Amino acid sequence: QITLKESGPTLVKPTQTLTLTCTFSGFSLSTSGVGVGWIRQPPGKALEWLALIYWDDDKRYSPSLKSRLTITKDTSKNQVVLTMTNMDPVDTATYYCAHIGYSYGFAFDIWGQGTMVTVSS
Amino acid sequence: DIVMTQTPLSSPVTLGQPASISCRSSQSLVHSDGNTYLSWLQQRPGQPPRLLIYKISNRFSGVPDRFSGSGAGTDFTLKISRVEAEDVGVYYCMQATQFPYAFGQGTKLEIK
Repeated sequence: QITLKESGPTLVKPTQTLTLTCTFSGFSLSTSGVGVGWIRQPPGKALEWLALIYWDDDKRYSPSLKSRLTITKDTSKNQVVLTMTNMDPVDTATYYCAHIGYSYGFAFDIWGQGTMVTVSS
Repeated sequence: DIVMTQTPLSSPVTLGQPASISCRSSQSLVHSDGNTYLSWLQQRPGQPPRLLIYKISNRFSGVPDRFSGSGAGTDFTLKISRVEAEDVGVYYCMQATQFPYAFGQGTKLEIK
């Protein structure tokens, strides 16, 4: 059974760097065709894809946020970390990590519960 | 970048009646490998999204068969044959054919 759980601060100040950790179980990020992505959702708004890392360390970012995002993986710890620099109040959102793989057509098939991040001074 | 446009944005439906949501992409979603990486997700109130359909028409594990997906190229549809109360929520299409991946703006399904 695949599970994912996001963790990180609930409140950050403007200009600070946000670091979120996705801890997962039930799969390995060293398995071919597997990846973990980050998606966010501002309150009352739509989903926005942020970043993705694959088993082979291929990393992809949303072009609009690329300069601020870094995604890394620690296969031994079953974790994926997303950092976002220069946080702004418009970055207030629920941040989700999700499993993705070739088996289900690169759809995000299993999601974490999400973690709400508020950006405010 | 590919833009995903859903219609309608809101859909009031009577229980037991069918519902249909459209998703249009700004470019063809046919990948060079021949597959079309279009999926549908459901987000119930207060819950994370849940995968319903992948590669246009394949139901994910545990998804009731009243949900079906169809389409090709740039035009796709999610249909619910008979809406139940538990289907209330927001539905999103998503393309994974080309980076950056993109979601539609969401369609809110509500009961009349």
